[in-house]
Amino acid sequence: DTGVSQDPRHKITKRGQNVTFRCDPISEHNRLYWYRQTLGQGPEFLTYFQNEAQLEKSRLLSDRFSAERPKGSFSTLEIQRTEQGDSAMYLCASSLAGQAFFGQGTRLTVV
Amino acid sequence: QQQVKQSPQSLIVQKGGISIINCAYENTAFDYFPWYQQFPGKGPALLIAIRPDVSEKKEGRFTISFNKSAKQFSLHIMDSQPGDSATYFCAASATGGYNKLIFGAGTRLAVHP
Repeated sequence: DTGVSQDPRHKITKRGQNVTFRCDPISEHNRLYWYRQTLGQGPEFLTYFQNEAQLEKSRLLSDRFSAERPKGSFSTLEIQRTEQGDSAMYLCASSLAGQAFFGQGTRLTVV
Repeated sequence: QQQVKQSPQSLIVQKGGISIINCAYENTAFDYFPWYQQFPGKGPALLIAIRPDVSEKKEGRFTISFNKSAKQFSLHIMDSQPGDSATYFCAASATGGYNKLIFGAGTRLAVHP
């Protein structure tokens, strides 16, 4: 499978715990994006990387959120001290020539 | 200025009919307009996209119509099939799609047999 891969697919965590998600983009894609999608809404932009450089962060990305893309390959999104409002689908996308392809997402439930 | 407004919220079409979903934007810097299809529990899948130098783009049963002066674009699904039942999102981006996508709120399409 040469698509965007996200792991885990589902995560249930207790409020206050830290969680980390991983995204493996399509191999030749140099741009990687993170979005968050809540039920009944469109995806909302969180942050994006060009290679290993994080070029933009949304105001939605509070200081509890951090994203990395070491060596310009896979990326991780960490949420510290999770809150119930963090419950959402976290989507990763990658692109090369302007067309963004999404992974299946990680469904986070904070209880 | 960053918003993309999508309508209707939900749509019911009979098999074989035409499904039409509309979007409007404000930011004149937007120059790339894709449509995504999303099934429950899955990530959005790119369906078709258009740039403002053309007024229409067709791929199979899917057509995008683009009106630059009105800052509106729409998706037409011809000969709609039950398998087309999904949520459709319009989106917009500046700099040819290399920047972040701004999504509409989505349209839930149900195609009845």
